[in-house]
Amino acid sequence: GAVVSQHPSRVICKSGTSVKIECRSLDFQATTMFWYRQFPKQSLMLMATSNEGSKATYEQGVEKDKFLINHASLTLSTLTVTSAHPEDSSFYICSASYPGLAGTDTQYFGPGTRLTVL
Amino acid sequence: EDQVTQSPEALRLQEGESSSLNCSYTVSGLRGLFWYRQDPGKGPEFLFTLYSAGEEKEKERLKATLTKKESFLHITAPKPEDSATYLCAVHPSYWGKLQFGAGTQVVVTP
Repeated sequence: GAVVSQHPSRVICKSGTSVKIECRSLDFQATTMFWYRQFPKQSLMLMATSNEGSKATYEQGVEKDKFLINHASLTLSTLTVTSAHPEDSSFYICSASYPGLAGTDTQYFGPGTRLTVL
Repeated sequence: EDQVTQSPEALRLQEGESSSLNCSYTVSGLRGLFWYRQDPGKGPEFLFTLYSAGEEKEKERLKATLTKKESFLHITAPKPEDSATYLCAVHPSYWGKLQFGAGTQVVVTP
């Protein structure tokens, strides 16, 4: 149980184009989804937290106009990288939270999306 | 300031050579501590959640333990397929976000 999928797994695009990444919780409803970015040999960096039906909360330093997040349903969140540039090339990973004990939700992660901007 | 520190950064083991990874943390209240495994080019895979000091959890060759200041992930008789980066994350009581350590890269050679 608690499976999270991401699509696409890899995308290569030209500079200036927009790219949409989908994150789905396949066997549970996730009230909260998270988007992370990971650079080589580094740990995960939280970009934003999204709750179904409301606006995403972005971390300091993350441009909300560049990284558009939509959490349209309890099983789907999307990240759109608008007007992508080479510096946006990275590994993007989503997670969906599943209720746990003591008010702690466990985050289950998707397989990630490798974005390369030429 | 909240901190999550993992050690060592890298660990090279012979197959069958047991070892432990450390995750020390300083947070203002702990709701939960999580261990994940991450393979290259993939998202983290959930392993364990620990909620209170003294708690232990096991899964195959892995055993996680928790004290008030740190957690250990013990790998017993590792196999090459246990090679991965192991991430520790804490959920502070006042905050909805996970705080990750930098990870320990484990390589198990036959």
